[in-house]
Amino acid sequence: NAGVTQTPKFQVLKTGQSMTLQCAQDMNHEYMSWYRQDPGMGLRLIHYSVGAGITDQGEVPNGYNVSRSTTEDFPLRLLSAAPSQTSVYFCASSYFRVDTGELFFGEGSRLTVL
Amino acid sequence: DAKTTQPNSMESNEEEPVHLPCNHSTISGTDYIHWYRQLPSQGPEYVIHGLTSNVNNRMASLAIAEDRKSSTLILHRATLRDAAVYYCILRDVHNQGGKLIFGQGTELSVKP
Repeated sequence: NAGVTQTPKFQVLKTGQSMTLQCAQDMNHEYMSWYRQDPGMGLRLIHYSVGAGITDQGEVPNGYNVSRSTTEDFPLRLLSAAPSQTSVYFCASSYFRVDTGELFFGEGSRLTVL
Repeated sequence: DAKTTQPNSMESNEEEPVHLPCNHSTISGTDYIHWYRQLPSQGPEYVIHGLTSNVNNRMASLAIAEDRKSSTLILHRATLRDAAVYYCILRDVHNQGGKLIFGQGTELSVKP
C-alpha cells in the first residue's frame, strides 16, 4: 500500500526556472492538498482539490499552479521559481467525508531555489 | 474559519501522562476536532479526532469540553518517540474537503 507518494524528494533550482512537484495517491481519496513548511514554522496551505477538475486556493497560492485531471494525481507547478519558495512541500489526501477524513501526508519534497 | 490556539511548547517526563490543550472558542456545531503530530524531519501523521464525545484510540485520548470550546489531547505514558509538534485543527462537516488550516502547534519535548 503506497499511500501518498511525492516526487522528487529533493530538488535544487535556479531563480526563474520552472518545475513540477508530483503527488499521487492510491487510496481513491477525493480530497488532495499541498502545504509548504518553512524552517521552524507550521504548515501553510497552498492549493487544494475536492475532486477531479476542481481546485481552489489556500493561504499562500501566489507563484503556484495546480490541476486535477485524475483522482490519483495532484501536481504542483512552480512557473518561475524564486528564493522565497525554498521550503519543504507536503502533499496530503483524504476521503471527502470530514467525519472520517483522516489526512494522509506524503514524506515531503525539499526544494531549494538559488 | 474557526481558529485554534495552542501553547507554543510543553515539556514532559518519560512515562508520565501529558495533557496538550487546545482552545477553539469560535467552534461551530459542525466542526470536527482533529489532532495531528509531526515528528522531526517527517510529514504530519493523524492522531485522533472527535465531535462531541471523548475518544480513545491506541495512540491517545481526546477529551472535549462540554461546551466544545476547548479540547485536550492526552498521551497516557509519554515516550521519547512522542517528542513532536502537535497540531489541533478543525474540519467543518458542511465544508467538506475545504481549507484545512494548521496553526503553529505545540512542540512537545520528553525528558528521559
